[in-house]
Amino acid sequence: DIQMTQSPSSLSASVGDRVTITCRASQSISSYLNWYQQKPGKAPKLLIYAASSLQSGVPSRFSGSGSGTDFTLTISSLQPEDFATYYCQQSYSTPPDWFTFGPGTKVDIK
Amino acid sequence: QVQLVQSGAEVKKPGASVKVSCKASGYTFTSYDINWVRQATGQGLEWMGWMNPNSGNTGYAQKFQGRVTMTRNTSISTAYMELSSLRSEDTAVYYCARVITMVQGASGYWGQGTLVTVSS
Repeated sequence: DIQMTQSPSSLSASVGDRVTITCRASQSISSYLNWYQQKPGKAPKLLIYAASSLQSGVPSRFSGSGSGTDFTLTISSLQPEDFATYYCQQSYSTPPDWFTFGPGTKVDIK
Repeated sequence: QVQLVQSGAEVKKPGASVKVSCKASGYTFTSYDINWVRQATGQGLEWMGWMNPNSGNTGYAQKFQGRVTMTRNTSISTAYMELSSLRSEDTAVYYCARVITMVQGASGYWGQGTLVTVSS
């Protein structure tokens, strides 16, 4: 099974801060790593796919990097609308777990 | 534009089954895989399985093997997720989501979610 971990589990930041969230896979997943943003009561929104590709319509302050087992989501200058929970997801797509999500990182206002 | 519209909230008793629908529009239904994801209140996202609407092929998370069935009706561009032997821990919002491409498993389009409550 491919297990996903994220750190930190939560963080407090101010508008304008640079924020970095880390995701680690229990085995190599090449670049099959996606990042989602979720706000309360809403469906998740895809931000980054294939580790570093920005989904259409997503602001360029969001970026992703990494390959193998270690990945990073960076928000270059945190905006008020970015306070949310962020999830990584592996899409290496092998059984038995196929597309596991990480546990999430909650970003709130300092 | 791509839209996924899910069926309404359900209340079920323990041991029963629930079937959630996901009607797709704005694209060719059979061209993109559908994933199902659930989220219990205050908890994280949990991937349940995928279905290829063209072939009907499926892949289920190990946790749900034997309890979940994903099907589709291509004539009405609708995907279904049925979960059986419901227990209180299955109380959650269930989402369907479409992949962005058949190469990438990332889910770029999501339904609005369906709340399933399991209670005696």
